Amino acid sequence: QKEVEQDPGPLSVPEGAIVSLNCTYSNSAFQYFMWYRQYSRKGPELLMYTYSSGNKEDGRFTAQVDKSSKYISLFIRDSQPSDSATYLCAMKPRAGGTSYGKLTFGQGTILTVHP
Amino acid sequence: NAGVMQNPRHLVRRRGQEARLRCSPMKGHSHVYWYRQLPEEGLKFMVYLQKENIIDESGMPKERFSAEFPKEGPSILRIQQVVRGDSAAYFCASSPEGQGLKPQHFGDGTRLSIL
Repeated sequence: QKEVEQDPGPLSVPEGAIVSLNCTYSNSAFQYFMWYRQYSRKGPELLMYTYSSGNKEDGRFTAQVDKSSKYISLFIRDSQPSDSATYLCAMKPRAGGTSYGKLTFGQGTILTVHP
Repeated sequence: NAGVMQNPRHLVRRRGQEARLRCSPMKGHSHVYWYRQLPEEGLKFMVYLQKENIIDESGMPKERFSAEFPKEGPSILRIQQVVRGDSAAYFCASSPEGQGLKPQHFGDGTRLSIL
């Protein structure tokens, strides 16, 4: 079983739709959570990061963490064609031990927003 | 551009040759991480380094791969005697000093092709 599971999609939505991207994880040591966006032939770009259960909002993006269910989500409101990319969830343990630097990624969800 | 700089962007090697990938972290960052992205797979952690120190190499293959981050100059990921299976995109990330939630910022990667 993978430590982090993410539906690879692809996901296709019309412009203006609300997009929901999700990851589940099995390792209860994961305490820090990140979402990255990756365009084709580019590196992952950090979108949001959090360590608390609950919601964190930044513009059109909302990150949600439910540690009791080991489930995280990213919501994109008013989606735009420029949001078309691969979205990666990533997580890591709290500080302590040598593995605190290691990010474990989901497989990535391919999103297409069509005009 | 104060971002993570990787070079070369593309590298072609024949089987049995050596590949050297370089990474300069963001200004003010002293921690460097290397990840590998194989086709149709997610990003996999390889190694975590600080200046002159390997913190976690749990993701490095046991043979042919090595990494360093010298006191002066960029971090180097070295692959000796490359084989076809080494073809992948290799990404470097950096973060500032300290433990806790220090988000990692990625470069645009080096795409290694083995003939």
